[in-house]
Amino acid sequence: LAKTTQPISMDSYEGQEVNITCSHNNIATNDYITWYQQFPSQGPRFIIQGYKTKVTNEVASLFIPADRKSSTLSLPRVSLSDTAVYYCLVGDQNNNAGNMLTFGGGTRLMVKP
Amino acid sequence: EAGVAQSPRYKIIEKRQSVAFWCNPISGHATLYWYQQILGQGPKLLIQFQNNGVVDDSQLPKDRFSAERLKGVDSTLKIQPAKLEDSAVYLCASSLGLAGAADNEQFFGPGTRLTVL
Repeated sequence: LAKTTQPISMDSYEGQEVNITCSHNNIATNDYITWYQQFPSQGPRFIIQGYKTKVTNEVASLFIPADRKSSTLSLPRVSLSDTAVYYCLVGDQNNNAGNMLTFGGGTRLMVKP
Repeated sequence: EAGVAQSPRYKIIEKRQSVAFWCNPISGHATLYWYQQILGQGPKLLIQFQNNGVVDDSQLPKDRFSAERLKGVDSTLKIQPAKLEDSAVYLCASSLGLAGAADNEQFFGPGTRLTVL
């Protein structure tokens, strides 16, 4: 069962780029990496998913090195509204051993004015 | 499109009482999940359905928790009897297929906040 490790919290300022790294040393060949965002009193929301190299969408970028033992979520030019908890999940498309559905403690991002 | 609906949004009960939560997933989503999220922690999967069959219920405390998805659409989660440690937010999510495959992201509802006194 792939386990993820993330920093408990991070602080940033408006307009800065924020990079949150997740370690997943036991990632398996078929595992995908998915990031979710959660605001207080709301359910998590999908941000981005990737398998290798780099993925970019309108919200964020996801960088995955060749060994895939870690991944970095990059949020460009954060605003106060990006203050939230960010979760990294690792699992495979067949949901073997429930890997995809194991949320860790997440990273609490605080964006300051 | 309409999101995942849950009710009630809040519930306060005394220990040893029973409680039920309801979830209506996004139309057409075959997979439905129930999570328990204790304050300050990440969501913990309780049970996962694929249509009306159970895919994973390994973390469901079956002595007191039960869930069903009889017609493969909406679902109920029940706790009987409740304990103090059951105080948490119960989240329902749905996805087209099993989470992890491309385009099978989970969509979460707003959750039900349960307080057990």
